Amino acid sequence: ETGVTQTPRHLVMGMTNKKSLKCEQHLGHNAMYWYKQSAKKPLELMFVYSLEERVENNSVPSRFSPECPNSSHLFLHLHTLQPEDSALYLCASSQAAGPAVEQYFGPGTRLTVT
Amino acid sequence: AQKITQTQPGMFVQEKEAVTLDCTYDTSDQSYGLFWYKQPSSGEMIFLIYQGSYDEQNATEGRYSLNFQKARKSTNLVISASQLGDSAMYFCAISLVTSYGKLTFGQGTILTVHP
Repeated sequence: ETGVTQTPRHLVMGMTNKKSLKCEQHLGHNAMYWYKQSAKKPLELMFVYSLEERVENNSVPSRFSPECPNSSHLFLHLHTLQPEDSALYLCASSQAAGPAVEQYFGPGTRLTVT
Repeated sequence: AQKITQTQPGMFVQEKEAVTLDCTYDTSDQSYGLFWYKQPSSGEMIFLIYQGSYDEQNATEGRYSLNFQKARKSTNLVISASQLGDSAMYFCAISLVTSYGKLTFGQGTILTVHP
């Protein structure tokens, strides 16, 4: 595997379900990110992890719970979601959490909440 | 707070021609980075090119170049010799020194390359 991978690629869940999104980076990076891309809205940053420590939480509802067990893995735990949470969830990684460092994105998980 | 504006929802270009995608930004910070990403229909965001706020030269990367006008707060992407594979959504983004790498994206421009 190379780059940034995300599983699953597609997920349909009911509002009472609990599921998790997984992201893995094979680039030796130290920072990882979760973004949300809704229809007709710009990408929105959700969380930033630097060296496994959360450094940014962009006012995300508590029904989204991130976890970064090591610098290569990032999870997004989902519970009691709403239909408006349906979106493409993108994971990214970068060498460091800084302004002049390009981020490498995974293919995304297309989430549908029914 | 920083803001990115892409005023062209859609653009069309003939294969082998050049095209310019517009991007303006708004920030009171003096130190920041500007990025362009490409998103094909597959969904993955692909990094294209970067410009630092203190870079005096316009960034270039293969067929991609930036027309960076700091005083006007604009950073337009020029794609030369367009190819059919360039058809995608293009996003401009800004990252501030103070923001732990947080990228703030514009709404995007859909580029369609005609044969």
